[in-house]
Amino acid sequence: GNSVTQMEGPVTLSEEAFLTINCTYTATGYPSLFWYVQYPGEGLQLLLKATKADDKGSNKGFEATYRKETTSFHLEKGSVQVSDSAVYFCALKAVGTGRRALTFGSGTRLQVQP
Amino acid sequence: DSGVTQTPKHLITATGQRVTLRCSPRSGDLSVYWYQQSLDQGLQFLIQYYNGEERAKGNILERFSAQQFPDLHSELNLSSLELGDSALYFCASSVGEASYEQYFGPGTRLTVT
Repeated sequence: GNSVTQMEGPVTLSEEAFLTINCTYTATGYPSLFWYVQYPGEGLQLLLKATKADDKGSNKGFEATYRKETTSFHLEKGSVQVSDSAVYFCALKAVGTGRRALTFGSGTRLQVQP
Repeated sequence: DSGVTQTPKHLITATGQRVTLRCSPRSGDLSVYWYQQSLDQGLQFLIQYYNGEERAKGNILERFSAQQFPDLHSELNLSSLELGDSALYFCASSVGEASYEQYFGPGTRLTVT
């Protein structure tokens, strides 16, 4: 079946540090890949997406590249801010009929200290 | 604000009871998805409706059911509640039946005591 594996948190960084959150996936075919962010007390927000191999998704300074050869979609940001503190979820959407739901990783909590 | 609304925001009830969670999708979206977020199981897909019809089922218990009404809002019914049903329940919507992007509501936090 489909699955997503994320690095365990929490990840604690100082402001302006470089961020990497690892995400690898298992799926048949070529799924679409997503990063969602959940701020405290809120629902999930789509942060970025990539729908085919070598695509780079980017938004708000965050980037992730769809790497088919390593089945990875690692999230990066060059300089984090305190306001980036949240839980980040990697997710995939498989292709094919009947495959409509998102499969999520377990989430990685990011804490950014001033 | 995603445009997806969910009510109530919080719900506290006792074991054995039944509750109904409500979701209104974004304007123009025909698909509604329900997800459960719990500490031990993470985020899991429960069920999807598209334009009033059930389209996909995930790890939804038999005690749970859902429907989507002609105005496209959806309700998730949870019955014979157990302590383990305590979780955040999210609704998401998308334009099409299998769209890439899903937009999530703020969630309903259910506490079963």
